[in-house]
Amino acid sequence: AQRVTQPEKLLSVFKGAPVELKCNYSYSGSPELFWYVQYSRQRLQLLLRHISRESIKGFTADLNKGETSFHLKKPFAQEEDSAMYYCALNTGTASKLTFGTGTRLQVTL
Amino acid sequence: DAGVTQSPTHLIKTRGQQVTLRCSPISGHKSVSWYQQVLGQGPQFIFQYYEKEERGRGNFPDRFSARQFPNYSSELNVNALLLGDSALYLCASSSWDFSTSIYTDTQYFGPGTRLTVL
Repeated sequence: AQRVTQPEKLLSVFKGAPVELKCNYSYSGSPELFWYVQYSRQRLQLLLRHISRESIKGFTADLNKGETSFHLKKPFAQEEDSAMYYCALNTGTASKLTFGTGTRLQVTL
Repeated sequence: DAGVTQSPTHLIKTRGQQVTLRCSPISGHKSVSWYQQVLGQGPQFIFQYYEKEERGRGNFPDRFSARQFPNYSSELNVNALLLGDSALYLCASSSWDFSTSIYTDTQYFGPGTRLTVL
């Protein structure tokens, strides 16, 4: 069965510091990985997906199949990045996501 | 477009009762998925419906059921409520097309319905 692991419940960084939110997955086939974000009092929204290979709000994520990881990175954290971040995996031909437990990113001055 | 809408926003029920949650997808989206998010956990997949047919089901008991209407809106029903059913129920819609897509499309989430079972 597929599984997504986000080892950190809370990650606290200073403004301007680099950010790395960890995500590891378990799946033997070809996965499709996503990062979703939930800002305070807002709904869950897609941040980026690995097949797009794009940078959104300065965030990037590279799929490493050898390490089964999809870590989210940003070189310089901003206060507005404070939010809950979820890594998600899709393994089939359906809109069915397996989510991790989430990491709360707290950016302080 | 207001995005995915869900009703009601909050709901309080007692054990053993039944509940119906409603979801309206983004205009043009034919796929609706339901997720349960227990406090402190990530969303967990319950169902996916496409063109009024169930296309996927998560590891939930038969007390959970859903349906999709001709206008692509959807209802999630939970019977014989248990305390453990207390959660945020999320609906997501996408333009995913069963006949042509290999990869999933972006899912757009609604604000959720907060269900409390006493």
